[in-house]
Amino acid sequence: ETGVTQTPRHLVMGMTNKKSLKCEQHLGHNAMYWYKQSAKKPLELMFVYSLEERVENNSVPSRFSPECPNSSHLFLHLHTLQPEDSALYLCASSQGGFSSGANVLTFGAGSRLTVL
Amino acid sequence: GQNIDQPTEMTATEGAIVQINCTYQTSGFNGLFWYQQHAGEAPTFLSYNVLDGLEEKGRFSSFLSRSKGYSYLLLKELQMKDSASYLCAVKDSNYQLIWGAGTKLIIKP
Repeated sequence: ETGVTQTPRHLVMGMTNKKSLKCEQHLGHNAMYWYKQSAKKPLELMFVYSLEERVENNSVPSRFSPECPNSSHLFLHLHTLQPEDSALYLCASSQGGFSSGANVLTFGAGSRLTVL
Repeated sequence: GQNIDQPTEMTATEGAIVQINCTYQTSGFNGLFWYQQHAGEAPTFLSYNVLDGLEEKGRFSSFLSRSKGYSYLLLKELQMKDSASYLCAVKDSNYQLIWGAGTKLIIKP
């Protein structure tokens, strides 16, 4: 496979469930990102792993927990989510680190999450 | 606060030309990006501007004026497959990407 692969593509979960989203990049990139995309709203950066450093958006609730075991894999662990967390979760990677000026993001197709 | 403004939705006719505008107010500037996102798919990179002027790439061109905080994406010879959302994003002085909410472009035959 090439590019950025996200699984599952669709996930429905109750508020008491625990689930994880997975992202894998086959591009040899140095940084990986989690974004939240809600309808008619700007992309919201949740977490960045760049050159073994983690950057996070302080407004992201603790019910979202990232894990980056190596430069090719990224997980988003979900627990006790709320209905307002329903959204498309996009993973992305870039060749340059977070602070690179022209680093182009390569996105996965996203995981559509519905919280009941 | 930091802000990116772009129209919510635009409609154009197949074969025509359309210009999608993006205005920004950010803390510093380290480049502006345009991405295309088809429904249910990943956003894909279209263009990057860091200096003033026009960058042309086939049917797509992107323009930047840093003094006006303004960019546009110009799509020529529109095709049905150009129906998508177009996302404008600016890198601020801290290299954080500030995103617009996207412009949904509808192409009619």
